[in-house]
Amino acid sequence: NAGVTQTPKFRVLKTGQSMTLLCAQDMNHEYMYWYRQDPGMGLRLIHYSVGEGTTAKGEVPDGYNVSRLKKQNFLLGLESAAPSQTSVYFCASGSSGAHPRTHEQYFGPGTRLTVT
Amino acid sequence: AQSVTQLGSHVSVSEGALVLLRCNYSSSVPPYLFWYVQYPNQGLQLLLKYTTGATLVKGINGFEAEFKKSETSFHLTKPSAHMSDAAEYFCAVTRQSGGSNYKLTFGKGTLLTVNP
Repeated sequence: NAGVTQTPKFRVLKTGQSMTLLCAQDMNHEYMYWYRQDPGMGLRLIHYSVGEGTTAKGEVPDGYNVSRLKKQNFLLGLESAAPSQTSVYFCASGSSGAHPRTHEQYFGPGTRLTVT
Repeated sequence: AQSVTQLGSHVSVSEGALVLLRCNYSSSVPPYLFWYVQYPNQGLQLLLKYTTGATLVKGINGFEAEFKKSETSFHLTKPSAHMSDAAEYFCAVTRQSGGSNYKLTFGKGTLLTVNP
């Protein structure tokens, strides 16, 4: 039982390049989330999904797109990377059995992205 | 709107001393409150959560937090710090984001240093 996994762990991009971050969970969770973490800012929600085939915007969605074609996977895309997107990106999933007001989120180990 | 404020971005204690990390919330409805911990180069993991019922909540690794409605606080404590407690700690509150969807809003984090 791997929990939440993220690939890649590290990536360096040049401005204008594109990439996709992959998140996978093996806990059969309905809810999945993408956050970015910046020093002194805590975690900020980029996009989230409440089920297969659904996505919604979070606090800081600009410059990112997401897809949830399979229940276990949640992809985060950067179409044209900018230096402001240099950050650590975390994926999380939420336990389906509990109400989402109270459910625990399980986090992946993160992807450190640098855009030069 | 629900939010949390963590007082002190950095707390330093000696090994064996009391740990006190402060969190105040603002919420127009009964809050659901969480403390997460992030060890270096890892994702976040849940320490404890308050939903309803007993106001003193016990978590993992000897941590506990008390929900005080009159003070709008949910401070995290541990009687005796260990070196292994050195990490960043995040307070979070669940916020309704439309319909039946809920999202976590995180504080900016408190870095705990434990000195030998």
